[in-house]
This record gives sequence, C-alpha cells and structure tokens, in this order.
Amino acid sequence: KAGVTQTPRYLIKTRGQQVTLSCSPISGHRSVSWYQQTPGQGLQFLFEYFSETQRNKGNFPGRFSGRQFSNSRSEMNVSTLELGDSALYLCASSLEAGGDTQYFGPGTRLTVL
Amino acid sequence: QKEVEQNSGPLSVPEGAIASLNCTYSDRGSQSFFWYRQYSGKSPELIMSIYSNGDKEDGRFTAQLNKASQYVSLLIRDSQPSDSATYLCAVNMWRGYQKVTFGTGTKLQVIP
Repeated sequence: KAGVTQTPRYLIKTRGQQVTLSCSPISGHRSVSWYQQTPGQGLQFLFEYFSETQRNKGNFPGRFSGRQFSNSRSEMNVSTLELGDSALYLCASSLEAGGDTQYFGPGTRLTVL
Repeated sequence: QKEVEQNSGPLSVPEGAIASLNCTYSDRGSQSFFWYRQYSGKSPELIMSIYSNGDKEDGRFTAQLNKASQYVSLLIRDSQPSDSATYLCAVNMWRGYQKVTFGTGTKLQVIP
C-alpha cells in the first residue's frame, strides 16, 4: 500500500507570496492532519480534516488555511508569507478522525526569503 | 505543565547498551500512546503504539505504560548507531474532541 505523499518536497518563496501544499493520504484513510515543525518548537498542530470537514484547528493565524477533497486529498494554503513561516510542513493520515494512529508523509520544506 | 513532556536530551548511550526514553502526560483519561522516531531532516516514523498498562515488545523496542503514574517509556535494547535520532512521544487526549498531542522529543545519540 502506498504511503502518504506530499508535494512539492521543497519550496522557496519570498515574503508576501502565498503557497499551496498538497497531501495524498494512504488509500482508505479519511483523516488528514497538518503540522508545522521548526527547530526548537517541535510539532505544532495546524488542523485536522475528516470527510471534507475541518474538525479542529491549532493556534495559528488565519493566513493558514486548508481543505479536504472528496477523495481525502488535502491542501493547505499559507497567504502573505512571513520569514517565520519557514519550516517543515508535515501531513499525517489516519484511518479515522481524532486520536487514531497517524502516518506521516515526507514533508514539504518551505523556505521564505 | 506541558500536556506531553519529554526530556530534550541529548541522551548518550554506548553501542550495545539499553536506551531508556521517558514521557509524562497530563490528561489522566488518555487511552492511546505512540512512539515515533525522527531522523534529522526526515519525517516522523511510527515505531509502536500502546494502549494497556504494562509492557509491549516489538523486536529491540519495548514500550511501557503506567496510566496511574501518567508515564510511558520506550526501551531500546542493544542500541545501534543507526538508532541515533529524535524520539517523539504522542498521546491521544480529549480536548472537547479526540486529538493526538506530541512531545517535543528526546534526542538519542548512540556512541560506537
């Protein structure tokens, strides 16, 4: 069974631009969670989607948004990029929502210049 | 108090020794616990999950859970240099909804 895939793997953007990251979960998994990871901050929860609905959201500004499609693929968008948005963005898929075993994709490394 | 607490390390052990990684959590009602390994620059990889009090073994790895003490640990027997990584503890908590919360991780260094 194929694992979680994320595209693109690397991105370089400049301040003020926007970016869209994509995540395809493991086949049959219906829940997708997004995390931001920076050195010293650990994994910071962004949001979780299940059946095309956002179930919960972490403590991030409204510039961070996401959505999930009917095939469970998910995208997250960051608008008006700031230098501090430079991070590894990780997507995790799980069979069901909330607290189920999560499997991570390889991540998207975003650098904001 | 942090919801999931881990010593950041680094924890240094000689090759062949037992590495012991610890994690405490704040929510007494938590039911599911996970250990992930993350190599530098890579994404977290699930090592094992544990749901019941006691020990659960998988190869060189043993997870130990004590819900009364709100404590979960991971033992790595016969540690190898390839085990050098950051180990993340994750706990399923109820915050009005079920949510997995991660600790900040313990960095393990296995010295050849």
